Amino acid sequence: QSVLTQPPSVSGAPGQRVTISCTGSSSNIGAGYDVHWYQQLPGTAPKLLIYGNNNRPSGVPDRFSGSKSGTSASLAITGLQAEDEADYYCQSYDSSLSVYVVFGGGTKLTVL
Amino acid sequence: QVQLVESGGGVVQPGRSLTLSCVASGFSFSNYGMHWVRQAPGKGLEWVSVISHDGSNKYYADSVKGRFTISRDNIKNTLYLQMNSLRADDTAVYYCAKSLGIVIVPGAIDYWGQGSLLTVSS
Repeated sequence: QSVLTQPPSVSGAPGQRVTISCTGSSSNIGAGYDVHWYQQLPGTAPKLLIYGNNNRPSGVPDRFSGSKSGTSASLAITGLQAEDEADYYCQSYDSSLSVYVVFGGGTKLTVL
Repeated sequence: QVQLVESGGGVVQPGRSLTLSCVASGFSFSNYGMHWVRQAPGKGLEWVSVISHDGSNKYYADSVKGRFTISRDNIKNTLYLQMNSLRADDTAVYYCAKSLGIVIVPGAIDYWGQGSLLTVSS
């Protein structure tokens, strides 16, 4: 049970827009700590998708965007493509725990 | 380009020890913190440990504290994870990963290795 809650699964048709939520609390996201997002394609290592809430590393398409408000953060994917089918994880820091890096439970994105 | 290559995984009996290694290349290893993150079969990501760029600060998840030790050799560009008193629930793919910036926590992880599978079983 992670302190960052993500929906287990989301789905969308090609071309559509989907969002993945990451809900925390006043000791992590709500305390102002940055949220980062990772994409894990099947059978591969995770890849940094968004850092510092809304920044894309070089090479990440602008179809991916991040936002944060209050105790939650979201990852939005527009113009959904088949190759976006993957697991997505949010990550932050929690000041109330002796865990310095916390991941959400992950969300499986299915492209219909 | 940044490369992180883990080695040392395998099958080990409960209670035994094992050390994972990760050789880094393509960046100035001594300038960045490094993490170990694991993923049990079919499960999500679990952070294990982080070490600062110079090895002076080390942090661990509660689940491994007292059993695992993270270390680094900035001459050999190598990160290590010594694992003692291994348990069945330590079975996972272990990823070596690089901190995005000089601050190790809080912070993002910008590069990951391909992972090394550890299976703890009798």
